[in-house]
Amino acid sequence: KAGVTQTPRYLIKTRGQQVTLSCSPISGHRSVSWYQQTPGQGLQFLFEYFSETQRNKGNFPGRFSGRQFSNSRSEMNVSTLELGDSALYLCASSLHRLAGVNTGELFFGEGSRLTVL
Amino acid sequence: GENVEQHPSTLSVQEGDSAVIKCTYSDSASNYFPWYKQELGKRPQLIIDIRSNVGEKKDQRIAVTLNKTAKHFSLHITETQPEDSAVYFCAASRPSGGYQKVTFGIGTKLQVIP
Repeated sequence: KAGVTQTPRYLIKTRGQQVTLSCSPISGHRSVSWYQQTPGQGLQFLFEYFSETQRNKGNFPGRFSGRQFSNSRSEMNVSTLELGDSALYLCASSLHRLAGVNTGELFFGEGSRLTVL
Repeated sequence: GENVEQHPSTLSVQEGDSAVIKCTYSDSASNYFPWYKQELGKRPQLIIDIRSNVGEKKDQRIAVTLNKTAKHFSLHITETQPEDSAVYFCAASRPSGGYQKVTFGIGTKLQVIP
């Protein structure tokens, strides 16, 4: 079974540009969540999608957005890039994460490392 | 919202010694506490987890304890080996909008010295 796949793995952008990152979950997984990883800040939750609907959202500005397609693949977009957006963006998929029903182990991708110059 | 504090941020131990990482959470609704290990340049992977109705869980050299009253949980690694060197993240998961929302701690970089 293929794991979670993220593309691109590395990218360099300049301030003010926008970027789109892609995540293909494990086959059969319907939940996809996104995290920003920076040194000293750990894994900060961006948002989670299930069945093409955003179910939860973290405390990030509106420049960060995402969506999920009918095949569960997900994309996240960051507009008007800032230097502080440089980070490793991790996507994670899980089978299902209904409250109180299943805890839902997260399976992470290898991440997309974004550098903003 | 939930707040998860994790300490220490870095930890160095001699091979064979034990390592303990502690986390506290703020939301009493949190009911699931996973631990993830991230080796250098690799993706985080689940190593052990515990539900709120359990006080302790062991898996070979790794154990996790949970004190719901005090809202803290800990990861214990015994007989540490060089391959245990990694960043460890604790997390607290709670119901939110009908789904489980996960909040991670800041991570602990564990170095096992041969």
